[in-house]
Amino acid sequence: QITLKESGPTLVKPTQTLTLTCTFSGFSLSTSGVGVGWIRQPPGKALEWLALIYWNDDKRYSPSLKSRLTITKDTSKNQVVLTMTNMDPVDTATYYCAHRGSAGTTGGFDPWGQGTLVTVSS
Amino acid sequence: SYELTQPPSVSVSPGQTARITCSGDALPKQYAYWYQQKPGQAPVLVIYKDSERPSGIPERFSGSSSGTTVTLTISGVQAEDEADYYCQSADSSGTYEVFGGGTKLTVL
Repeated sequence: QITLKESGPTLVKPTQTLTLTCTFSGFSLSTSGVGVGWIRQPPGKALEWLALIYWNDDKRYSPSLKSRLTITKDTSKNQVVLTMTNMDPVDTATYYCAHRGSAGTTGGFDPWGQGTLVTVSS
Repeated sequence: SYELTQPPSVSVSPGQTARITCSGDALPKQYAYWYQQKPGQAPVLVIYKDSERPSGIPERFSGSSSGTTVTLTISGVQAEDEADYYCQSADSSGTYEVFGGGTKLTVL
């Protein structure tokens, strides 16, 4: 059974850097084709894809946020870390991490973590 | 940047068929995925690779693709299907992912 859980601060101040950790179990990020993605959702709004890291350390970023995002993995700890710099109140959202199946499986984001609400306010 | 377009809302009566569309220029080249999200919950994958259904997803959920539009069809809609539905795919080169704006399905 694959599970993921997000952790990090619930409140950050404007201009600060947000660091979120996704801790997962039930799969290895060294398995060919597998990835972990980050997606966020402002309150009452749509999902927004942020970043994705694959088993081979291939990293993909949202074009609109690329300059502010960094995604890394620690395979030995079964963790993926997302950092977002220069936080603004508009970045207030629930942040999700999700398992990205290989092409031989669903290939979609499945399953997702429970999400963590991050509020940006002074 | 690349966008996927969904209708904001769809309403159907119980037992009827709901169809939710998602349009994007790269859909002929890239697979589409559909997610169901109920209030206060994380999204759940209900269709992958345009038309495949994950294990555990009821057979009333199906997907199809035609040109630049993909469609999620829910046959015999039940009250429990009331939720937000999101399509997801990639740009034409497969460089980055994108979600549609979401469709709120209301069961009357």
